[in-house]
Amino acid sequence: DIVMTQSPDSLPVSLGERATIHCKSSQSVLYNSNHKNYLAWYQQKPGQSPKLLIYWASTRESGVPDRFSGSGSGTDFTLTISSLQAEDVAIYYCQQYSTTPWTFGPGTKVEIK
Amino acid sequence: QITLKESGPTVVKPTQTLTLTCTFSGFSISAPGVGVAWIRQPPGKALEWLALIYWDDDKRYSPSLRRRLTITKDSSKNQVVLTMTNMDPVDTATYFCARRSPMIYTSDIWGHGTMVIVSS
Repeated sequence: DIVMTQSPDSLPVSLGERATIHCKSSQSVLYNSNHKNYLAWYQQKPGQSPKLLIYWASTRESGVPDRFSGSGSGTDFTLTISSLQAEDVAIYYCQQYSTTPWTFGPGTKVEIK
Repeated sequence: QITLKESGPTVVKPTQTLTLTCTFSGFSISAPGVGVAWIRQPPGKALEWLALIYWDDDKRYSPSLRRRLTITKDSSKNQVVLTMTNMDPVDTATYFCARRSPMIYTSDIWGHGTMVIVSS
């Protein structure tokens, strides 16, 4: 299985400030055949199901605000919220889908400082 | 509009078999590239992928739970069913089903989830 790790576990950020979450996979999730990284980011608010934010490591899902951006390749990835809004308080998970079993990171809890 | 909804028992006893149904609309599981996955989340813990069934009936399972899981689909009913045998209290979790998008290859739309408690 590909093991996903995230840092930090918890991230207090002031409103309007930048939040940066790191995700690392134990193996590369980059497919050389199509140059795509099989890495997604999800946002989960309390009592809700996860919501897809980013796929292919850096493509925003339709309707996701442009303050959310994803970057990275191979084994190291980052999710950035450029200017934290109150509604962004949530747990964020990275997930690899390059091979089954799909695996998720342990999550990063973003909260208001 | 694509929707998925999970249904099944709220409480099961240890050693019993759990059967969960995912009823979906807005897409066909017979369409190339489409799949439906099951993912669970114990209270206060992270997401755990369980199984995935593809449009062509290819099935994939979590290796650690492989012996206990069976995933099937009924295209005519727009349903995917997951069974998990020999339930244990550690299987207490919210169980989600989600569509595997044929365009982006991962889960883009999720159901709201159904809570399953394993207790005698």
